[in-house]
Amino acid sequence: ILNVEQSPQSLHVQEGDSTNFTCSFPSSNFYALHWYRWETAKSPEALFVMTLNGDEKKKGRISATLNTKEGYSYLYIKGSQPEDSATYLCAFRNSGGYQKVTFGIGTKLQVIP
Amino acid sequence: GAVVSQHPSWVICKSGTSVKIECRSLDFQATTMFWYRQFPKQSLMLMATSNEGSKATYEQGVEKDKFLINHASLTLSTLTVTSAHPEDSSFYICSASGRGPVNQPQHFGDGTRLSIL
Repeated sequence: ILNVEQSPQSLHVQEGDSTNFTCSFPSSNFYALHWYRWETAKSPEALFVMTLNGDEKKKGRISATLNTKEGYSYLYIKGSQPEDSATYLCAFRNSGGYQKVTFGIGTKLQVIP
Repeated sequence: GAVVSQHPSWVICKSGTSVKIECRSLDFQATTMFWYRQFPKQSLMLMATSNEGSKATYEQGVEKDKFLINHASLTLSTLTVTSAHPEDSSFYICSASGRGPVNQPQHFGDGTRLSIL
């Protein structure tokens, strides 16, 4: 069983604050790291696919970094808005004989107006 | 684009009933479909992966006779929970990917909340 951990599990921030959270994953047999955003009563929506050590991806106010050597990725949200409230999932795809995607438990973000 | 429709979204039924959940890709050809289960306060756990026209590959600990998966076309996969019992109550969600790089993101349905009485 591959260990993919996310912290914190929940987070409340005030509107306008910037925030970040962490996904840690095995540092060996890395293939790709995915971030998804999952709003209540909707389906998870892909944010980023990250494949190279040192990758930085950005989509509007949301960005992510990747460190495959130490096994972590950070997701940053700048100037949080109420519509950013969602659960943010990371998913680790391993390389090797049997590839699969392993999800973290998610970080539930609540942005307070 | 890349819309996945999952039905039903919510099921309550008696113990011993079989329940079928459908997952359809509406605007792309889903060569691979994934079925996940999520228990409260846990992560999405992969149950099985199916490629169109092939038998599904089940994860360790998932009973293939209990959870029947059919992926007969490029737009439809079904998961049938046979003779469901209360311990099968969970949130089930499908995802799909089309032709392309193996690290492409998955496109998810909205999920099905299954409650067995």
